[in-house]
Amino acid sequence: GQQVMQIPQYQHVQEGEDFTTYCNSSTTLSNIQWYKQRPGGHPVFLIQLVKSGEVKKQKRLTFQFGEAKKNSSLHITATQTTDVGTYFCADQTGNQFYFGTGTSLTVIP
Amino acid sequence: KAGVTQTPRYLIKTRGQQVTLSCSPISGHRSVSWYQQTPGQGLQFLFEYFSETQRNKGNFPGRFSGRQFSNSRSEMNVSTLELGDSALYLCASSRTAGANVLTFGAGSRLTVL
Repeated sequence: GQQVMQIPQYQHVQEGEDFTTYCNSSTTLSNIQWYKQRPGGHPVFLIQLVKSGEVKKQKRLTFQFGEAKKNSSLHITATQTTDVGTYFCADQTGNQFYFGTGTSLTVIP
Repeated sequence: KAGVTQTPRYLIKTRGQQVTLSCSPISGHRSVSWYQQTPGQGLQFLFEYFSETQRNKGNFPGRFSGRQFSNSRSEMNVSTLELGDSALYLCASSRTAGANVLTFGAGSRLTVL
């Protein structure tokens, strides 16, 4: 089945540093969504990217979709302790979502 | 507007038992999908229901089953529990089948002893 890989698996940063997680697929992605799961919580939808090369921003978060629609990234500028959690990308192929393996972000105050 | 409600939130079972988990979607959402989340395997798709019909099924054994009622509420059942079934089971609802935004419930954390 569809496989969506994310790197890194874990990331520890000092508060104020930047953070980036990458999502890669061997096949072309229909669209890509990003979700955030806080420790002990459940995934919460952040954003969806559909077009090749698309870039969207949400405050300190920047989301990109690769030109070939095979990869995506989430970049957080100047991390805060509220950014702690696991970030997942998800590809929707047909009626099924394939979630990436997730990147767990720890922010050290 | 109430979110996705899952019950029970926590439960402990022993091997060989069965378990039923319930999910009430957001009012007006007719599609319900289920996911298993474990530290080793991440989020894995179990199945999706829309209008009381299973539209998709993930790669799980037949011990995992589900159904959806006319009010869109859904249940999933796991029979003959194994230790490896210990996981967080997440339900997500969306307005229509194949919709591209999932709203997750808080999950049911199952521990199998």
